[in-house]
Amino acid sequence: GAGVSQSPRYKVAKRGQDVALRCDPISGHVSLFWYQQALGQGPEFLTYFQNEAQLDKSGLPSDRFFAERPEGSVSTLKIQRTQQEDSAVYLCASSPYRVPGANVLTFGAGSRLTVL
Amino acid sequence: SQELEQSPQSLIVQEGKNLTINCTSSKTLYGLYWYKQKYGEGLIFLMMLQKGGEEKSHEKITAKLDEKKQQSSLHITASQPSHAGIYLCGASKAAGNKLTFGGGTRVLVKP
Repeated sequence: GAGVSQSPRYKVAKRGQDVALRCDPISGHVSLFWYQQALGQGPEFLTYFQNEAQLDKSGLPSDRFFAERPEGSVSTLKIQRTQQEDSAVYLCASSPYRVPGANVLTFGAGSRLTVL
Repeated sequence: SQELEQSPQSLIVQEGKNLTINCTSSKTLYGLYWYKQKYGEGLIFLMMLQKGGEEKSHEKITAKLDEKKQQSSLHITASQPSHAGIYLCGASKAAGNKLTFGGGTRVLVKP
């Protein structure tokens, strides 16, 4: 597609539920990033994929967070047993660069998760 | 934790006036990136600076990186309502390193 597509745009979950957020990067983009943006804050890095390989997951806040990109294109961020502090906008970004030094990322519109 | 400090946190300017946003790091940066975020949307890339003393302009927006590569400013000349949004600076500490973002500066332009 022309841009990075994320779904769902909005998700309301009850505390304890599992959620899955999807990211369709720009076709052919090698690098894919997930960021978490709390209300009124800047985005915080979660994890990074180069093709299907998850090269950096240092930002995942707990073992309840899991991300995958099995075929090197679409990625899914899964949050198990959601907690209220997980409420945030989850942003996906992609880049055509193998080594993300250029860091000119194209972002999706985000998935806004609200945990009640 | 935020390693980049942005100031001011928010800004209201009259249409036609200039504005400046600052982004400061305590460490030397490999690259400095400016993004704009409209409310409820993703981030739009504006400019990238990598060399000390570098300055880039696009339309009415100018970004500068200081010689030490620890501070950057974003200047908008003759602001318009379309300039409203959240401006975020992002930085990488080395080639191949992930971007870390500042807390953002919320800009409102009053017509």
